[in-house]
Amino acid sequence: ETGVTQTPRHLVMGMTNKKSLKCEQHLGHNAMYWYKQSAKKPLELMFVYSLEERVENNSVPSRFSPECPNSSHLFLHLHTLQPEDSALYLCASSQDRSAGNTIYFGEGSWLTVV
Amino acid sequence: AQSVTQLDSQVPVFEEAPVELRCNYSSSVSVYLFWYVQYPNQGLQLLLKYLSGSTLVKGINGFEAEFNKSQTSFHLRKPSVHISDTAEYFCAVSDQVSGKSTFGDGTTLTVKP
Repeated sequence: ETGVTQTPRHLVMGMTNKKSLKCEQHLGHNAMYWYKQSAKKPLELMFVYSLEERVENNSVPSRFSPECPNSSHLFLHLHTLQPEDSALYLCASSQDRSAGNTIYFGEGSWLTVV
Repeated sequence: AQSVTQLDSQVPVFEEAPVELRCNYSSSVSVYLFWYVQYPNQGLQLLLKYLSGSTLVKGINGFEAEFNKSQTSFHLRKPSVHISDTAEYFCAVSDQVSGKSTFGDGTTLTVKP
C-alpha cells in the first residue's frame, strides 16, 4: 500500500484533448513533486511544490500545467500534448525539501498520446 | 552541479548469486546518497540511504551499500539474490545545501532461475 495515490493509472488521449492527472498523499508531507519517466531516459523532475507554492519548474513546456490546491493534492493538467509526451508520470512527496528526506513515490500514471 | 553515473545499465544474474550494482557520483558540495528500487508497474521506493555515520548502510530486503568518499562511490550489494529482486534500481544524490536530488539512469537487475 502506498502513501501516495495517483489516478488514473492509465490514460490515452488525443493531441487536442485536455485531461488531468491527480495525486494525493496521505503522509502529511509538505513537499510534492511531478517526475516524468520515459523509456531509456533518466528520471526528469518537472515541478516541485513546497507548502503549496511552486518552487521549481524545470523548463517544462506550457502544455503541462501543475496545480496544488492544498498540501495533500497535486494535479497535472495536460493540453495539446505531443506523442513524445507519452511516458510514465510519477507523483512524489517528502516531509519537506531538506536534503536527507526520503522521497515517496506513487505508482505512476501511464500516459499515451495518440 | 552534481551528477550520478550508474555504470551498468543491465545486470543479469542467477538466483542465489551475489550481485553488485555500481554507482559513482560527482558533486561540488556535500551530498546524501540513496538507492531506490522500482518493481514492474510500480513507483520507486527507498532501499536505503546514507546520511552520516557508518559508511556501510543496511537496507530492506537484505541489500546494503557502502559509501566511499575517496572514490565518490555508493555501490549496492546483496550476497544472494532472489527472483523477486528483479527490478530497476536507481542511485540518487541529494545536495545537502539546496536539497536538490539527482537520479542516475537506473540499472535493470534481472534474476534468472
